[in-house]
Amino acid sequence: DAKTTQPPSMDCAEGRAANLPCNHSTISGNEYVYWYRQIHSQGPQYIIHGLKNNETNEMASLIITEDRKSSTLILPHATLRDTAVYYCIVRVSGGSQGNLIFGKGTKLSVKP
Amino acid sequence: GAVVSQHPSRVICKSGTSVKIECRSLDFQATTMFWYRQFPKQSLMLMATSNEGSKATYEQGVEKDKFLINHASLTLSTLTVTSAHPEDSSFYICSARGGMSTDTQYFGPGTRLTVL
Repeated sequence: DAKTTQPPSMDCAEGRAANLPCNHSTISGNEYVYWYRQIHSQGPQYIIHGLKNNETNEMASLIITEDRKSSTLILPHATLRDTAVYYCIVRVSGGSQGNLIFGKGTKLSVKP
Repeated sequence: GAVVSQHPSRVICKSGTSVKIECRSLDFQATTMFWYRQFPKQSLMLMATSNEGSKATYEQGVEKDKFLINHASLTLSTLTVTSAHPEDSSFYICSARGGMSTDTQYFGPGTRLTVL
C-alpha cells in the first residue's frame, strides 16, 4: 500500500501557483519524498525529490516540513499543460531498495 | 532527465497470441528496470523488477510464466505477454533506474495493449 495521502483532486487558475499537499506521517528516516506526474495516456514524468531540505528545480519546488510528516509540491506559475495526476511517493534511496509504489495521486486541473 | 523509450506504443492482437514489448534506456545504463500495468482510471501497479543479467522478481499475484521478462543488457528489457486474453488489455509502462542520478526512476511512454 502507498504510504502517502493526497487529496483526490484540485483546481488551479492558469498563471497562479499550484500547491499540492502530501501527508506521509509514517515516513522513515532513510526514505525520500518523490513527486511524479502523469499526463493522460502517457508514462509518469519525474518532477523532483528530497529528503529533508527544501528543493527547487526548473519544474517545481518541494517544501518538506521539519518533522518530515508532510510536504508540498509547488508549481509556481501553472499552465494548462500542467493538468495531470500528481503522485507523491516515499521510498528508500540507494542500492536496489525501494521500488516506487503509486497511490491514487491528486488530479490537478488548471483552468483558463 | 534521462530518456526511456518503449516499442510499440500501441498493439492490437488476437486472443491466444503472444506480444513482446521492448523498453530501452536511451542515454544511460539501467541497472534495474521495472514493469507496471495500469487499468483505466486506476493507478500504476508494479508487476516486476529486473536487474540486468538476473531473473526478474515478480509482485504477488503476477504470473511469471505469463509475463516473461528479459533484461539481457543494461539498456534493454522486454516484457512478453504470453497467450494473451482480453483481460490482459491494459497500459503497460516500463521504467529504468541507473545512470547519473542512480536513485531516480525514469518512465517510458507506455504501450497500450488491446487483446481482441
